[in-house]
Amino acid sequence: GQQVMQIPQYQHVQEGEDFTTYCNSSTTLSNIQWYKQRPGGHPVFLIQLVKSGEVKKQKRLTFQFGEAKKNSSLHITATQTTDVGTYFCAGRYSGSARQLTFGSGTQLTVLP
Amino acid sequence: EAQVTQNPRYLITVTGKKLTVTCSQNMNHEYMSWYRQDPGLGLRQIYYSMNVEVTDKGDVPEGYKVSRKEKRNFPLILESPSPNQTSLYFCASSLRGQVISGELFFGEGSRLTVL
Repeated sequence: GQQVMQIPQYQHVQEGEDFTTYCNSSTTLSNIQWYKQRPGGHPVFLIQLVKSGEVKKQKRLTFQFGEAKKNSSLHITATQTTDVGTYFCAGRYSGSARQLTFGSGTQLTVLP
Repeated sequence: EAQVTQNPRYLITVTGKKLTVTCSQNMNHEYMSWYRQDPGLGLRQIYYSMNVEVTDKGDVPEGYKVSRKEKRNFPLILESPSPNQTSLYFCASSLRGQVISGELFFGEGSRLTVL
């Protein structure tokens, strides 16, 4: 079946350092969403990217969708302890337009 | 307050004892879905529903049943639970389930342990 690969699985950073997580698909995506799950919590929607090469920013977070619509990244500048959690990408395929395929997530730990 | 409500939040049961996890949303969403979350595997879709009386299998439907008799409710039924169904379950809803739809709203999660 279609899979969205997400790396790294874990990332420990010192507060103030940058962080990036990557998602890759072998086939073209219709769109990709990003979610954040705090420890013990539920996933919360962050953003959706639809267009080839799209870049969106939310304060210290920058989201990118690749030109071929097969990869995406989330970059956090100058991490803070409030950024702790697991970040998931979720892709929608043209042939499975009614489903989202989630990546395995990147668990971010920010050391004070 | 707009929300997705799941019950129970925590449950320990034994193999073979039927159980139902309820899910209700108050946002008049058409699309609802169930996911299970296991370490290192992310969120895997069990079943989804595009609207009332319309349900379809996700990636891991074996051992589960669902129904959508009302728009707001989407219960997950485990007819004969087994230990490999021990997991964290999330219900989610979205305004539409069509191409390029909006965000998923998740419930708080139901942690199920099957002994």
